[in-house]
Amino acid sequence: DTGVSQDPRHKITKRGQNVTFRCDPISEHNRLYWYRQTLGQGPEFLTYFQNEAQLEKSRLLSDRFSAERPKGSFSTLEIQRTEQGDSAMYLCASSKAAQVTNTEAFFGQGTRLTVV
Amino acid sequence: GDSVTQMEGPVTLSEEAFLTINCTYTATGYPSLFWYVQYPGEGLQLLLKATKADDKGSNKGFEATYRKETTSFHLEKGSVQVSDSAVYFCAPSTGNQFYFGTGTSLTVIP
Repeated sequence: DTGVSQDPRHKITKRGQNVTFRCDPISEHNRLYWYRQTLGQGPEFLTYFQNEAQLEKSRLLSDRFSAERPKGSFSTLEIQRTEQGDSAMYLCASSKAAQVTNTEAFFGQGTRLTVV
Repeated sequence: GDSVTQMEGPVTLSEEAFLTINCTYTATGYPSLFWYVQYPGEGLQLLLKATKADDKGSNKGFEATYRKETTSFHLEKGSVQVSDSAVYFCAPSTGNQFYFGTGTSLTVIP
């Protein structure tokens, strides 16, 4: 297993364009999380999936942000009409849900978005 | 809501010095507690964890004990090395997400 994979690693886009990022979690993990990290800050939770169900999306930053995990495997995060304030590192993580305790999440290397 | 407060940095220590990074949290449930580390140019990596009160997580010489009564999970290492230079994040989790602090940047000088 190669861990959590994110693509692309870097994305430069013009303001107003749409962007889509992909995350491939560790294969046996049923939970998948998206976070955003800006310089000097800790990761900020955006949304998470258990299998294909999106169980929490109220933290998505605006209605320009959307995420999918159609078959419970890979996930995509789309940002429509990008703004300069969207420039950040977008992190994906996956974990294996446990009934009693919360297992650790494994993070990908992230996609760095720059909006110009 | 759930949150975490982490000791602010940056922290600069000499090699072999003792390290403490404080972390306190608020949580509505019974969280599991994690410390993640981010080395320069790399992604977040799990450093250690504890899932119930009084548990001690340890890894690479780092330790942290789950203190339910004080809602704390302070990170300690008895003798830091230059290779420990990184940003450290405390992250409680109640299942549907991990709450990250702002991170504490540690620089260890020879």
